[in-house]
Amino acid sequence: GAGVSQTPSNKVTEKGKYVELRCDPISGHTALYWYRQSLGQGPEFLIYFQGTGAADDSGLPNDRFFAVRPEGSVSTLKIQRTERGDSAVYLCASSFLQGYEQYFGPGTRLTVT
Amino acid sequence: EDQVTQSPEALRLQEGESSSLNCSYTVSGLRGLFWYRQDPGKGPEFLFTLYSAGEEKEKERLKATLTKKESFLHITAPKPEDSATYLCAVHGANDYKLSFGAGTTVTVRA
Repeated sequence: GAGVSQTPSNKVTEKGKYVELRCDPISGHTALYWYRQSLGQGPEFLIYFQGTGAADDSGLPNDRFFAVRPEGSVSTLKIQRTERGDSAVYLCASSFLQGYEQYFGPGTRLTVT
Repeated sequence: EDQVTQSPEALRLQEGESSSLNCSYTVSGLRGLFWYRQDPGKGPEFLFTLYSAGEEKEKERLKATLTKKESFLHITAPKPEDSATYLCAVHGANDYKLSFGAGTTVTVRA
């Protein structure tokens, strides 16, 4: 079946702009996770959803970052007033239930100029 | 806070030259240890989950083992297509997020 999909694959934006990154999880997976990966590092946790609610948002770096999953499927990560330090690959993953193995999408490469 | 340290950072192997990657971890109540493979420009690809010390899992030329403090990923007779970054992650008892190490980049020369 289809894996996790993320759009766009690449996003270039200017400092101070607002961006939205989309994640479409594997059908039937109830848990959805967002991570951020910088060059040469492992993915760093941002937030995860079980169903529609954010079960753990402890990894969000500040209040410029926000994520939603209104219908328990697709999720959007929203970044306000982007800064150059936000440049990274944003990865989305889903799992059948929280605690099961997570399957990752291809990521969105965000570049803030 | 959960911590994962992987070594070495990089490994260059000749085709057929077996080797091992190390993942040392500190976690409050291990719920699971995960190995992923990541190719350049792609998301991590799930390989294995290990749950308890003494457990082993195999897939083709890869074998993962787990002790109470570390995990090893053994690559037997590697081929050039095994070249990738291998990531280790842990899942503690108190949450469901994965804490990753920085990875080991493996290059296999023909």
